[in-house]
Amino acid sequence: NAGVTQTPKFRVLKTGQSMTLLCAQDMNHEYMYWYRQDPGMGLRLIHYSVGEGTTAKGEVPDGYNVSRLKKQNFLLGLESAAPSQTSVYFCASSYSIFELGTDTQYFGPGTRLTVL
Amino acid sequence: SQKIEQNSEALNIQEGKTATLTCNYTNYSPAYLQWYRQDPGRGPVFLLLIRENEKEKRKERLKVTFDTTLKQSLFHITASQPADSATYLCALGGGYQKVTFGIGTKLQVIP
Repeated sequence: NAGVTQTPKFRVLKTGQSMTLLCAQDMNHEYMYWYRQDPGMGLRLIHYSVGEGTTAKGEVPDGYNVSRLKKQNFLLGLESAAPSQTSVYFCASSYSIFELGTDTQYFGPGTRLTVL
Repeated sequence: SQKIEQNSEALNIQEGKTATLTCNYTNYSPAYLQWYRQDPGRGPVFLLLIRENEKEKRKERLKVTFDTTLKQSLFHITASQPADSATYLCALGGGYQKVTFGIGTKLQVIP
């Protein structure tokens, strides 16, 4: 099993450009998440999904959109990139908390995004 | 709002000693607490989970305690090794709330 994979690993954008980050998991997890991690701020939840076809806002959703058309994939889009979106982006997945009562998450390797 | 505090300063410890990391929280009553390890350039990896009705949990050289009165968790690594050097994150969750992560404490084990 590959676990959680993210594409691409690195990306440099100019202000105003758009891009899509792809996350894929092969563990048949219901829940998927997108986080950003910045120095001194820890992981902050951008958007998440509790199942195929569903999405919900997290702590810092502005400037991002997501889609979960297939259970194994979760896409994060930046429509018009800004320098404030320079960060490391992590995707994660987990089993349904309804089944386990917890939300232990499995993370991907991250995407380092720089917006100039 | 809920707040998680981890010592943002790095913890340096001699090989073979026990490393103790602290996670404090306020304005929160978590049902469980998790500890993750994060190596540079990589995503966090789950280590241990402890529930609110458990005082202590162990896994090999790792031990976690959870004191809901003090609103504190301690994470211990016994017989520490240089390979244990990493950043350790605590995360709190409960009910249907999304898990909230602390900023992490960097541990450096010196040979």
